[in-house]
Amino acid sequence: QSALTQPASVSGSPGQSITISCTGTSSDVGSYDLISWYQQHPGKAPKFLIFEGTKRPSGVSNRFSGSKSGNTASLTISGLQAEDEADYYCCSYAQSGTSVVFGGGTKLTVL
Amino acid sequence: QVQLQESGPGLVKPSETLSLTCTVSGYSISSGYFWGWIRQPPGKGLEWIGSIYRSGSTYYKPSLKSRVTISVDTSKNQLSLKLSSVTAADTAVYYCARVGCSGNSCYPESWGQGTLVTVSS
Repeated sequence: QSALTQPASVSGSPGQSITISCTGTSSDVGSYDLISWYQQHPGKAPKFLIFEGTKRPSGVSNRFSGSKSGNTASLTISGLQAEDEADYYCCSYAQSGTSVVFGGGTKLTVL
Repeated sequence: QVQLQESGPGLVKPSETLSLTCTVSGYSISSGYFWGWIRQPPGKGLEWIGSIYRSGSTYYKPSLKSRVTISVDTSKNQLSLKLSSVTAADTAVYYCARVGCSGNSCYPESWGQGTLVTVSS
């Protein structure tokens, strides 16, 4: 299974926008909308943010948005808030269930 | 609203079998969805272990396949995880999750709070 590559850390100031990338291959990120995104605060379970690359489940703030370009998916957080400081993970999961992989995670620091 | 709760021993000896149960409330496992297990070693990232459908079809991470068994007990509305021949590398927080699917993809959409399992003698 191929790995999904995320930057180890990103940072931004309150009110700014930041983008976290998730780079895969033409077999996962590049071919289908297989990417979902998760937010994890220390000691807590991950929270579901984005599915099919760009869609938000109900209840998730519209400050979180997903996009894709080629073999790279991205999560953008706009209007950064202190509570956004957390770890963020992308995940590629095809319906066949035979290839499921998480990115290594990105630590977001709100300055 | 679905809720998931993991339970099981917090300490397992090396070479033994790790056994965890996930009790689901607010939704009947037999009604649909995939159900999965994910783990997170201390200070590290998330790792997919495997998933199961209500029919009993299972999908495991290839590197763990020889040691993993995931099953469901619809009468108790529970799913279970068994991981054999554990080593210290299996020390992690273990999460169960309900997995939604749409389009070509699936995604763990609801998670349990997680349970820490330490492998040590």
